[in-house]
Amino acid sequence: QTVVTQEPSLTVSPGGTVTLTCASSTGAVTNDYYPNWFQQKPGQTPRALIYSTINKHSWTPARFSGSLLGGKAALTLSGVQPEDEAEYYCLLNYGGWVFGGGTKLTVL
Amino acid sequence: EVQLVESGGGLVQPGGSLRLSCAVSGFTFSNYWMSWVRQAPGKGLEWVADIKPDGSQKYYVDSVKGRFTVSRDNAKNSLYLQMNSLRAEDTAVYYCVKKFDYWGQGTLVTVSS
Repeated sequence: QTVVTQEPSLTVSPGGTVTLTCASSTGAVTNDYYPNWFQQKPGQTPRALIYSTINKHSWTPARFSGSLLGGKAALTLSGVQPEDEAEYYCLLNYGGWVFGGGTKLTVL
Repeated sequence: EVQLVESGGGLVQPGGSLRLSCAVSGFTFSNYWMSWVRQAPGKGLEWVADIKPDGSQKYYVDSVKGRFTVSRDNAKNSLYLQMNSLRAEDTAVYYCVKKFDYWGQGTLVTVSS
């Protein structure tokens, strides 16, 4: 069974920079896994942020960026805002799709 | 404006069946892969099923194979999920998703006796 692993929790100060990662149990994550990133705030529907590793949706704030980093997919938030406090999920394609377990980002 | 509106959720006994529907508008439905994603209470997201624009290819997470069937009616701009042999672990909010960019508000399925 394929497992996608994310940091369970991270804390960042307002204005700071934080990188969330997404690892695959099958090995290095590449562009062929079409990494997606989503943000979900309590009681809300998930919101898409990044698709196909680096691409932003029209509504994605400029401070969010996607990349590959050390064999993992990565989501970097630069100049973190208080409203960025949320759960973040990555999604990888293996034929079917597998979500990571989520990273709870605290802005403190 | 893109809209996806799910319906059909509710309380069902273990072993029972439900059919979820998703009515879409604001985009050319017949051009896009569609997905169902679920989220158990207090848990993370889980991809459930995908269907190709013309309905000719379907993919499922292992835990629902043989029990769930995804389908679509492009003439009615609608996506469906037929869920049979439901189990307690299928309890979740089920989201209709367009190519992972737009999400519906979800419909709650509760499997309990």
